[in-house]
Amino acid sequence: NAGVTQTPKFRVLKTGQSMTLLCAQDMNHEYMYWYRQDPGMGLRLIHYSVGEGTTAKGEVPDGYNVSRLKKQNFLLGLESAAPSQTSVYFCASRGQGVTGELFFGEGSRLTVL
Amino acid sequence: GQNIDQPTEMTATEGAIVQINCTYQTSGFNGLFWYQQHAGEAPTFLSYNVLDGLEEKGRFSSFLSRSKGYSYLLLKELQMKDSASYLCAPMDSNYQLIWGAGTKLIIKP
Repeated sequence: NAGVTQTPKFRVLKTGQSMTLLCAQDMNHEYMYWYRQDPGMGLRLIHYSVGEGTTAKGEVPDGYNVSRLKKQNFLLGLESAAPSQTSVYFCASRGQGVTGELFFGEGSRLTVL
Repeated sequence: GQNIDQPTEMTATEGAIVQINCTYQTSGFNGLFWYQQHAGEAPTFLSYNVLDGLEEKGRFSSFLSRSKGYSYLLLKELQMKDSASYLCAPMDSNYQLIWGAGTKLIIKP
C-alpha cells in the first residue's frame, strides 16, 4: 500500500522558473494538505482541500497555487519561484473525521537559486 | 495569537525515561497530537489526546491538561532509534493543526 506519494523528491530551480509538485494518495481520503518545513520552525500550512474540487488558503499561501481535480491528487504549483521558497514540502492526507491522524508523504526538497 | 512552546533540544541516556513538555495557546481546542520525525523523513503519528489525563501506548505515553494548556510526551526504556524530533500540534477551532518547532531528542549510549 503506497499511502501518500510525492513527486519529485528533489528539485533545483532558478529564480523565476515554475514547477508543480504532485501528491497522490490511495486511501480515499477527503482532506489533503500542503505544508512547508523550514529549520527552526514548525510545519506551516500552505493550502488545503476538504474534498475533490475544493481548495482553501492556509497560513502561508502567497506565491503558491493548488488544484484538486481528482480526489486522489493534490497539486502544488509555484508560478515564479523565489529563493524564499527554498524548503522541504510535505503533503498529507486525512480520512473522514476532522480529528483523524495525518498521513504524510516522504517530502519534496526544493532549492531555488 | 496562537503559540506553541516546547524545548528545542533534549539529551537522554539509552534505557532511561524522558519527558518532553509542550505548552500551547490556540483559538479554540479540538485535541492535541504528537508526531515523531526522524531526520530527513516525514512525521509519523504517535498520539492524540482530547480529554484530560494520560494515554498510554506501549513505551510512549501522552498527557493533557486543557485548563493549563499543557501536554507532555513520556518515553520509557529509551532506545537509540528514539533519536528524533518530537512535534507537538494542538488542533484549533477550525480543526487546523498548529505545529510547534519540535524537540530534538538525542539518545546517548
